[in-house]
Amino acid sequence: GENVEQHPSTLSVQEGDSAVIKCTYSDSASNYFPWYKQELGKGPQLIIDIRSNVGEKKDQRIAVTLNKTAKHFSLHITETQPEDSAVYFCAAALQGGKLIFGQGTELSVKP
Amino acid sequence: DSGVTQTPKHLITATGQRVTLRCSPRSGDLSVYWYQQSLDQGLQFLIQYYNGEERAKGNILERFSAQQFPDLHSELNLSSLELGDSALYFCASSGDGTSYNEQFFGPGTRLTVL
Repeated sequence: GENVEQHPSTLSVQEGDSAVIKCTYSDSASNYFPWYKQELGKGPQLIIDIRSNVGEKKDQRIAVTLNKTAKHFSLHITETQPEDSAVYFCAAALQGGKLIFGQGTELSVKP
Repeated sequence: DSGVTQTPKHLITATGQRVTLRCSPRSGDLSVYWYQQSLDQGLQFLIQYYNGEERAKGNILERFSAQQFPDLHSELNLSSLELGDSALYFCASSGDGTSYNEQFFGPGTRLTVL
């Protein structure tokens, strides 16, 4: 069935280091891959997304890569800051727009 | 602020009761999605409405129902509540309901069933 696997479940980095979160999806029909950041007590916030006709997208310190053949996509955060600490979710969209989410990664950035 | 509003923020009720959660989408968005977030199941899609019509359904229980009104706000009705229904319920909205449209989430309603 439809499934998105996300790793790692927790990630701790020093301020200024890079963080990488990886996801794998099962349905090859998926064609839209957003990433969300969720802070405590808040709703998920869309931070970047990528579509299937693009291999990489960058927005300041955040980048996402997509490998459609392998059905992998990854989030890269460079020069991490304490305010990047949150739970990050990847998702894959199937036809019609519903999102299938990964299990989440709790990122902790230590000053 | 995503522009999506949800009320109430918190809801505490007893088993067997019925509650209604409300969502107002971003101005101009036609599609509303409902998701449930629990510790053991993560973020799960429940149901989608587009311009008043049901468009897609996920693993939504028969005890749950939703609707979207002409002014595009949506309500999620949960009945015969069980302890396991305690969770965060989010709605999200997007533009015209195509698979490429970004979904923007509201702040959620935290439901506690005692």
